[in-house]
Amino acid sequence: SQELEQSPQSLIVQEGKNLTINCTSSKTLYGLYWYKQKYGEGLIFLMMLQKGGEEKSHEKITAKLDEKKQQSSLHITASQPSHAGIYLCGADLRDDKIIFGKGTRLHILP
Amino acid sequence: ETGVTQSPTHLIKTRGQQVTLRCSSQSGHNTVSWYQQALGQGPQFIFQYYREEENGRGNFPPRFSGLQFPNYSSELNVNALELDDSALYLCASSLNRFSTDTQYFGPGTRLTVL
Repeated sequence: SQELEQSPQSLIVQEGKNLTINCTSSKTLYGLYWYKQKYGEGLIFLMMLQKGGEEKSHEKITAKLDEKKQQSSLHITASQPSHAGIYLCGADLRDDKIIFGKGTRLHILP
Repeated sequence: ETGVTQSPTHLIKTRGQQVTLRCSSQSGHNTVSWYQQALGQGPQFIFQYYREEENGRGNFPPRFSGLQFPNYSSELNVNALELDDSALYLCASSLNRFSTDTQYFGPGTRLTVL
């Protein structure tokens, strides 16, 4: 069973459009990480959320952690080709390791 | 750009062989974690080392072992390779062993077992 579910698994959007990726946990999240990965490469840290209701933004990417701390969303505004890649959420479930979702594959059409 | 490097980039081995993968952490980072990422999956936690001692282990058999050295380098060793060990192996360094510390990932080593 997957403790961390990401949706959608894959997303194709037209350049310039907005999009949202979700990450849902079956347990309380004590920390939630968002990473981006180019195919076959390492993970690039985007942002980390810890507090319920917390929201962080970096350039055109905004991430939120809901009040109950069991779901996070990543929103990209006015998508660009450089946003293409795999977005991974990683959860701190307070057992001294990070577990990851399977990722959301984002394709941007020019 | 993360300051974490891994070698080699790619590796091909045959079933039953042994392999050693290397990672160089950011200077000052006392913790290194290793992950296995199969094709189309998220990274799976293998183990973590803090100040040269194992600090947690995922659901991987003992033939997966590691070492961490005082110079911020580390190794992942896999004995008796199996076909299912084919994957991207990622190391990540962080300042401390707490899971709330941001982990910075290396580019990975692609291992293919034939």
